[in-house]
Amino acid sequence: DTGVSQNPRHKITKRGQNVTFRCDPISEHNRLYWYRQTLGQGPEFLTYFQNEAQLEKSRLLSDRFSAERPKGSFSTLEIQRTEQGDSAMYLCASSLNPDWVLETQYFGPGTRLLVL
Amino acid sequence: QQQVKQSPQSLIVQKGGISIINCAYENTAFDYFPWYQQFPGKGPALLIAIRPDVSEKKEGRFTISFNKSAKQFSLHIMDSQPGDSATYFCAAGYSTLTFGKGTMLLVSP
Repeated sequence: DTGVSQNPRHKITKRGQNVTFRCDPISEHNRLYWYRQTLGQGPEFLTYFQNEAQLEKSRLLSDRFSAERPKGSFSTLEIQRTEQGDSAMYLCASSLNPDWVLETQYFGPGTRLLVL
Repeated sequence: QQQVKQSPQSLIVQKGGISIINCAYENTAFDYFPWYQQFPGKGPALLIAIRPDVSEKKEGRFTISFNKSAKQFSLHIMDSQPGDSATYFCAAGYSTLTFGKGTMLLVSP
């Protein structure tokens, strides 16, 4: 399967703990996006990378959130000192953008986080 | 300026009927308008997308109609099938995507 993969698929943690999610994009895709989706809502943009550079961050991305894409391939999203309000599905998407025009984003299956 | 409003919230259509979902946006800088389909427990998957230089795009049973002056676009699903039962999201953007809240479609057999 050469689609976007995310690990873990499910994570249960206690409030105050740190969690880290991983996203492996489609090979050769230069853009990688992180979204958050809560029940009954559409995906909400968090941040995106063009290769290894983090180009934009949403206001939703508080100081407790950090994302990296160190070699322009896989990416990690870390949430420090988790809160119950962080419970959501975290989606990763990747796309191949030869220029600055938006192109098709391919989504992974998501990581479902539950903070107790 | 960044909102995308989607309606209806839910829709029930008989098999073989036409499903129509509407979206409206505010930001005139938006230049990419995709529709995504999502099944429970899965990530969204692109159905069809349009750019503002055309008013309509058709791929199989799926058609996007786009009205730039009204800042509205819609998804039409022809000959709807039970397998089309899913949640549909419109989105719009120019550097990042803003998604609508989704429409839960149920196609009755």
